[in-house]
Amino acid sequence: KQEVTQIPAALSVPEGENLVLNCSFTDSAIYNLQWFRQDPGKGLTSLLLIQSSQREQTSGRLNASLDKSSGRSTLYIAASQPGDSATYLCAVRRTGANNLFFGTGTRLTVIP
Amino acid sequence: EPEVTQTPSHQVTQMGQEVILRCVPISNHLYFYWYRQILGQKVEFLVSFYNNEISEKSEIFDDQFSVERPDGSNFTLKIRSTKLEDSAMYFCASIIQGYEQYFGPGTRLTVT
Repeated sequence: KQEVTQIPAALSVPEGENLVLNCSFTDSAIYNLQWFRQDPGKGLTSLLLIQSSQREQTSGRLNASLDKSSGRSTLYIAASQPGDSATYLCAVRRTGANNLFFGTGTRLTVIP
Repeated sequence: EPEVTQTPSHQVTQMGQEVILRCVPISNHLYFYWYRQILGQKVEFLVSFYNNEISEKSEIFDDQFSVERPDGSNFTLKIRSTKLEDSAMYFCASIIQGYEQYFGPGTRLTVT
C-alpha cells in the first residue's frame, strides 16, 4: 500500500524567504505526483503535476522536483508571500490505479 | 476556466438519514472521483467511476455508499444511513485520463 509522508507538518517563515516542502512515498511505481494547495475549510487547488518520466515542473514561483528511485518530491517556493499561507498537500497516483494517495500536508505560515 | 462544482456546500443531517451529495464534473472529463477528509486527517479516496460504472473503490466505500451518474452532467454520492463518523468534507474530482485531477470546493457533511 502506498504511504505518503510530508515533513515538516508545519512551517513558519518570514516574508521573502525561499522554502522547501518535502514529500516522500513508499512505493516508487508511480504514474504521477501532484501538489495541491488547501486553504482552511476550502477545496484543493492543483499547483503542479509531475509525470513519472519527468524530473521537475515549474509554475511561476513554484518548482516541484521528483526523484522516483528515492521516493521523494520537493516543492520549492521562491520569495514567499503572506498569500502563500495555506496547507500544501502532496498526492501520488500509483501505476495501474486511478486514485490519489495523499500526504497529511504541511501547514505554511508566511509572516509579513 | 472550467471547474468542478458541488452542492450543497454544507449539509447537516441526523444519524440514520440518507444524504445525497451532488457534483458537476468538468464537461469533457472521463473519470470521476469521490474523496473525503475527516477534520484534521488526510484526504482519503472513496471511489472512482468511469464509463458508467465503478472502476475502483476503497475499503471505506462499503454498502452504505453508492454513486450514480443520473444524466450527462451530474455525479452523485449517496450515503444510505449516515453515522456520526461520516462527518467530513467530501470532495468530488474529475480528470481527463493521465492528467491532473481537478477538485471541487467540497461539501461539508455534519451528522448529528
